[in-house]
Amino acid sequence: GENVEQHPSTLSVQEGDSAVIKCTYSDSASNYFPWYKQELGKRPQLIIDIRSNVGEKKDQRIAVTLNKTAKHFSLHITETQPEDSAVYFCAARANVNRGSTLGRLYFGRGTQLTVWP
Amino acid sequence: NAGVTQTPKFRVLKTGQSMTLLCAQDMNHEYMYWYRQDPGMGLRLIHYSVGEGTTAKGEVPDGYNVSRLKKQNFLLGLESAAPSQTSVYFCASSYQGLMSYEQYFGPGTRLTVT
Repeated sequence: GENVEQHPSTLSVQEGDSAVIKCTYSDSASNYFPWYKQELGKRPQLIIDIRSNVGEKKDQRIAVTLNKTAKHFSLHITETQPEDSAVYFCAARANVNRGSTLGRLYFGRGTQLTVWP
Repeated sequence: NAGVTQTPKFRVLKTGQSMTLLCAQDMNHEYMYWYRQDPGMGLRLIHYSVGEGTTAKGEVPDGYNVSRLKKQNFLLGLESAAPSQTSVYFCASSYQGLMSYEQYFGPGTRLTVT
Protein backbone atom coordinates (compact mmCIF):
# COMPACT_ATOMS: atom_id res chain seq x y z
CA GLY A 1 0.00 0.00 0.00
CA GLU A 2 0.84 3.67 0.09
CA ASN A 3 3.49 5.00 2.48
CA VAL A 4 3.54 8.68 3.44
CA GLU A 5 6.49 10.21 5.25
CA GLN A 6 6.38 13.68 6.77
CA HIS A 7 9.17 15.98 7.91
CA PRO A 8 10.01 17.61 10.20
CA SER A 9 8.19 16.19 13.20
CA THR A 10 8.55 19.51 15.05
CA LEU A 11 9.04 23.02 13.70
CA SER A 12 9.45 26.27 15.60
CA VAL A 13 9.35 29.63 13.87
CA GLN A 14 9.16 33.27 14.84
CA GLU A 15 5.93 35.09 14.15
CA GLY A 16 6.04 36.54 10.64
CA ASP A 17 8.47 33.95 9.30
CA SER A 18 7.55 31.24 6.81
CA ALA A 19 7.09 27.56 7.61
CA VAL A 20 7.49 24.64 5.23
CA ILE A 21 6.43 21.04 5.87
CA LYS A 22 7.35 18.32 3.42
CA CYS A 23 5.83 14.93 2.62
CA THR A 24 6.78 12.10 0.30
CA TYR A 25 4.57 9.28 -0.95
CA SER A 26 5.35 5.95 -2.53
CA ASP A 27 2.42 5.11 -4.83
CA SER A 28 2.64 6.99 -8.12
CA ALA A 29 -1.09 6.34 -8.69
CA SER A 30 -2.17 8.41 -5.67
CA ASN A 31 -4.26 11.29 -6.94
CA TYR A 32 -5.28 13.57 -4.07
CA PHE A 33 -3.17 15.19 -1.36
CA PRO A 34 -4.90 17.00 1.52
CA TRP A 35 -3.43 18.83 4.50
CA TYR A 36 -5.17 18.79 7.86
CA LYS A 37 -4.64 21.09 10.83
CA GLN A 38 -5.33 19.85 14.34
CA GLU A 39 -5.34 22.29 17.21
CA LEU A 40 -4.75 20.98 20.71
CA GLY A 41 -7.69 18.89 21.88
CA LYS A 42 -9.62 19.43 18.65
CA ARG A 43 -10.46 17.38 15.61
CA PRO A 44 -8.38 17.47 12.39
CA GLN A 45 -9.74 19.90 9.83
CA LEU A 46 -8.91 20.24 6.16
CA ILE A 47 -7.03 23.44 5.35
CA ILE A 48 -5.98 22.89 1.74
CA ASP A 49 -5.76 20.09 -0.79
CA ILE A 50 -4.36 19.47 -4.24
CA ARG A 51 -5.11 16.96 -6.95
CA SER A 52 -2.57 15.19 -9.06
CA ASN A 53 -3.34 17.22 -12.19
CA VAL A 54 -2.29 20.48 -10.48
CA GLY A 55 1.21 21.58 -9.47
CA GLU A 56 0.41 24.34 -7.01
CA LYS A 57 -2.54 25.74 -5.11
CA LYS A 58 -2.73 28.79 -2.92
CA ASP A 59 -5.24 30.06 -0.39
CA GLN A 60 -4.25 33.33 1.27
CA ARG A 61 -1.22 32.59 3.47
CA ILE A 62 -1.08 28.87 2.77
CA ALA A 63 0.02 27.08 -0.38
CA VAL A 64 0.66 23.52 -1.39
CA THR A 65 3.03 22.36 -4.12
CA LEU A 66 3.12 18.92 -5.73
CA ASN A 67 5.97 17.29 -7.63
CA LYS A 68 4.56 14.09 -9.13
CA THR A 69 7.87 13.03 -10.65
CA ALA A 70 9.66 13.14 -7.31
CA LYS A 71 6.50 12.03 -5.43
CA HIS A 72 6.60 14.77 -2.87
CA PHE A 73 4.37 17.63 -1.82
CA SER A 74 4.82 20.51 0.57
CA LEU A 75 2.80 22.91 2.70
CA HIS A 76 3.97 26.52 2.82
CA ILE A 77 2.68 28.97 5.41
CA THR A 78 3.77 32.57 5.03
CA GLU A 79 3.60 35.38 7.57
CA THR A 80 3.01 32.89 10.37
CA GLN A 81 0.89 33.87 13.35
CA PRO A 82 0.59 32.34 16.83
CA GLU A 83 -2.80 30.90 15.87
CA ASP A 84 -1.05 28.79 13.21
CA SER A 85 0.43 26.75 16.06
CA ALA A 86 -1.00 23.24 15.70
CA VAL A 87 -0.21 19.77 14.42
CA TYR A 88 -0.33 19.51 10.63
CA PHE A 89 -0.93 16.22 8.82
CA CYS A 90 -0.37 15.47 5.18
CA ALA A 91 -2.12 12.60 3.45
CA ALA A 92 -2.31 10.84 0.12
CA ARG A 93 -5.40 9.24 -1.35
CA ALA A 94 -5.11 5.82 -2.92
CA ASN A 95 -6.45 5.61 -6.44
CA VAL A 96 -9.78 3.76 -6.32
CA ASN A 97 -8.87 1.72 -9.35
CA ARG A 98 -6.07 -0.05 -7.52
CA GLY A 99 -7.87 -3.08 -6.14
CA SER A 100 -9.01 -3.12 -2.52
CA THR A 101 -7.62 0.22 -1.30
CA LEU A 102 -10.99 1.88 -2.03
CA GLY A 103 -9.77 5.45 -2.04
CA ARG A 104 -8.62 5.58 1.56
CA LEU A 105 -6.29 8.27 2.89
CA TYR A 106 -2.81 7.45 4.15
CA PHE A 107 -1.61 9.98 6.71
CA GLY A 108 1.84 11.17 7.63
CA ARG A 109 2.80 11.20 11.30
CA GLY A 110 2.28 14.91 11.73
CA THR A 111 4.33 18.06 12.33
CA GLN A 112 3.98 20.07 15.51
CA LEU A 113 4.31 23.70 14.42
CA THR A 114 4.95 26.31 17.12
CA VAL A 115 4.89 29.98 16.23
CA TRP A 116 6.58 32.20 18.82
CA PRO A 117 5.32 35.78 19.18
CA ASN B 1 -26.26 20.22 10.49
CA ALA B 2 -24.41 18.55 13.32
CA GLY B 3 -21.81 17.08 10.93
CA VAL B 4 -20.03 14.11 12.53
CA THR B 5 -20.75 13.33 16.16
CA GLN B 6 -19.22 10.74 18.47
CA THR B 7 -20.45 9.14 21.67
CA PRO B 8 -19.04 9.06 24.31
CA LYS B 9 -16.44 11.83 24.58
CA PHE B 10 -14.47 10.13 27.36
CA ARG B 11 -14.39 6.64 28.78
CA VAL B 12 -12.29 4.67 31.24
CA LEU B 13 -12.36 0.88 30.97
CA LYS B 14 -10.76 -1.90 32.92
CA THR B 15 -8.79 -4.55 31.05
CA GLY B 16 -11.14 -7.14 29.62
CA GLN B 17 -14.24 -4.95 29.56
CA SER B 18 -16.11 -4.28 26.35
CA MET B 19 -17.62 -1.14 24.90
CA THR B 20 -19.03 0.35 21.72
CA LEU B 21 -18.21 3.75 20.29
CA LEU B 22 -20.92 5.34 18.19
CA CYS B 23 -20.34 7.61 15.22
CA ALA B 24 -23.16 9.42 13.45
CA GLN B 25 -23.15 11.73 10.44
CA ASP B 26 -25.94 13.76 8.88
CA MET B 27 -24.26 14.63 5.59
CA ASN B 28 -25.47 11.55 3.69
CA HIS B 29 -21.86 10.42 3.15
CA GLU B 30 -21.25 6.98 1.76
CA TYR B 31 -17.82 6.43 3.32
CA MET B 32 -17.11 6.29 7.04
CA TYR B 33 -13.85 5.61 8.90
CA TRP B 34 -12.50 4.88 12.34
CA TYR B 35 -9.00 6.08 13.23
CA ARG B 36 -6.91 5.97 16.36
CA GLN B 37 -4.45 8.69 17.23
CA ASP B 38 -1.44 8.06 19.43
CA PRO B 39 1.39 10.51 20.16
CA GLY B 40 3.89 10.60 17.29
CA MET B 41 1.95 8.04 15.24
CA GLY B 42 -0.42 10.22 13.28
CA LEU B 43 -3.85 8.91 12.36
CA ARG B 44 -4.01 5.18 11.81
CA LEU B 45 -7.00 3.62 10.11
CA ILE B 46 -8.73 0.85 12.07
CA HIS B 47 -11.71 -0.04 9.86
CA TYR B 48 -13.76 1.72 7.26
CA SER B 49 -16.99 1.33 5.32
CA VAL B 50 -17.92 2.27 1.79
CA GLY B 51 -21.64 1.92 2.33
CA GLU B 52 -24.43 0.51 4.45
CA GLY B 53 -23.77 -3.12 5.30
CA THR B 54 -20.13 -3.09 4.18
CA THR B 55 -16.91 -2.88 6.20
CA ALA B 56 -13.21 -3.29 5.48
CA LYS B 57 -10.03 -3.54 7.52
CA GLY B 58 -7.56 -0.73 7.78
CA GLU B 59 -3.98 -0.92 8.99
CA VAL B 60 -4.61 -1.67 12.70
CA PRO B 61 -7.84 -3.74 12.89
CA ASP B 62 -6.87 -6.31 15.54
CA GLY B 63 -8.97 -6.18 18.69
CA TYR B 64 -11.74 -4.13 17.06
CA ASN B 65 -14.96 -4.89 15.24
CA VAL B 66 -17.29 -2.58 13.35
CA SER B 67 -20.80 -2.49 11.96
CA ARG B 68 -22.61 -0.22 9.52
CA LEU B 69 -26.27 -1.19 9.78
CA LYS B 70 -27.50 2.27 8.81
CA LYS B 71 -25.87 4.67 6.38
CA GLN B 72 -25.57 7.42 8.98
CA ASN B 73 -24.06 5.31 11.77
CA PHE B 74 -20.75 3.51 12.15
CA LEU B 75 -20.07 1.56 15.34
CA LEU B 76 -16.66 0.55 16.68
CA GLY B 77 -16.58 -2.27 19.20
CA LEU B 78 -13.90 -3.40 21.63
CA GLU B 79 -14.75 -6.90 22.81
CA SER B 80 -12.00 -7.25 25.43
CA ALA B 81 -10.18 -3.98 26.05
CA ALA B 82 -6.42 -3.94 26.52
CA PRO B 83 -4.13 -1.14 27.81
CA SER B 84 -2.65 -0.94 24.28
CA GLN B 85 -6.04 0.36 23.12
CA THR B 86 -5.68 3.49 25.23
CA SER B 87 -5.93 6.18 22.58
CA VAL B 88 -8.01 8.95 21.08
CA TYR B 89 -10.47 7.59 18.53
CA PHE B 90 -11.73 9.68 15.65
CA CYS B 91 -14.54 8.88 13.31
CA ALA B 92 -14.70 10.50 9.89
CA SER B 93 -16.97 10.47 6.90
CA SER B 94 -16.65 11.49 3.28
CA TYR B 95 -18.43 11.72 0.01
CA GLN B 96 -16.60 9.93 -2.76
CA GLY B 97 -17.76 11.90 -5.74
CA LEU B 98 -15.32 13.41 -8.22
CA MET B 99 -15.75 16.90 -6.80
CA SER B 100 -14.76 16.24 -3.21
CA TYR B 101 -12.73 13.70 -1.30
CA GLU B 102 -12.63 15.67 1.95
CA GLN B 103 -12.95 13.67 5.15
CA TYR B 104 -14.92 15.31 7.96
CA PHE B 105 -13.87 14.30 11.44
CA GLY B 106 -15.84 13.92 14.63
CA PRO B 107 -14.70 15.49 17.92
CA GLY B 108 -12.99 12.33 19.13
CA THR B 109 -13.35 9.89 22.01
CA ARG B 110 -10.60 9.66 24.60
CA LEU B 111 -10.41 6.09 25.87
CA THR B 112 -8.25 4.95 28.76
CA VAL B 113 -7.86 1.25 29.54
CA THR B 114 -6.41 0.49 32.97
